[in-house]
Amino acid sequence: DARVTQTPRHKVTEMGQEVTMRCQPILGHNTVFWYRQTMMQGLELLAYFRNRAPLDDSGMPKDRFSAEMPDATLATLKIQPSEPRDSAVYFCASGYTGVETQYFGPGTRLLVL
Amino acid sequence: QKEVEQDPGPLSVPEGAIVSLNCTYSNSAFQYFMWYRQYSRKGPELLMYTYSSGNKEDGRFTAQVDKSSKYISLFIRDSQPSDSATYLCAMRSGDYKLSFGAGTTVTVRA
Repeated sequence: DARVTQTPRHKVTEMGQEVTMRCQPILGHNTVFWYRQTMMQGLELLAYFRNRAPLDDSGMPKDRFSAEMPDATLATLKIQPSEPRDSAVYFCASGYTGVETQYFGPGTRLLVL
Repeated sequence: QKEVEQDPGPLSVPEGAIVSLNCTYSNSAFQYFMWYRQYSRKGPELLMYTYSSGNKEDGRFTAQVDKSSKYISLFIRDSQPSDSATYLCAMRSGDYKLSFGAGTTVTVRA
């Protein structure tokens, strides 16, 4: 049963610290999405990769967020420095170009104190 | 005003009832419409997908799209306690960027 995996599942950190979240997309998928979910804003797209190339990161605060895909099996989302307003659940999703279904991971629950 | 509006509920119904969920949207370029189901502390999963206006049925689930009114609906027949979840509508015009509704939390009482 292929699944998207995300680590860590939970993270509590202090303001100003660096946070790195990791995602392993389903083997063979060529698209990767990073989303953020909060009660106030709902689910928002942060970044989109196709064939490991970043095609859209317009949803990310550029000064503190960065997203990369060092290889086809790993996507990372980094926040430096973190702020309390970054507290949210961060989801990674993967899929195929032209196929509607995005498969979501279980999310990383981030709390920045 | 958000592109996609969805009443967050919560909605509580007895087992066996019909659950009716809906979203309105403002972007007339949206062509692809989806419903996702999200269980507590899990990621969303795609439930239904429709293109343009019309109805689509899958088991107990029916999705409707009315592009002229910019209104989409999801109906769940013979609801079960296992249907208790948050239901998010989502839509897009281009090839990948989804706009999500806020989600409606549904509880089906046994």
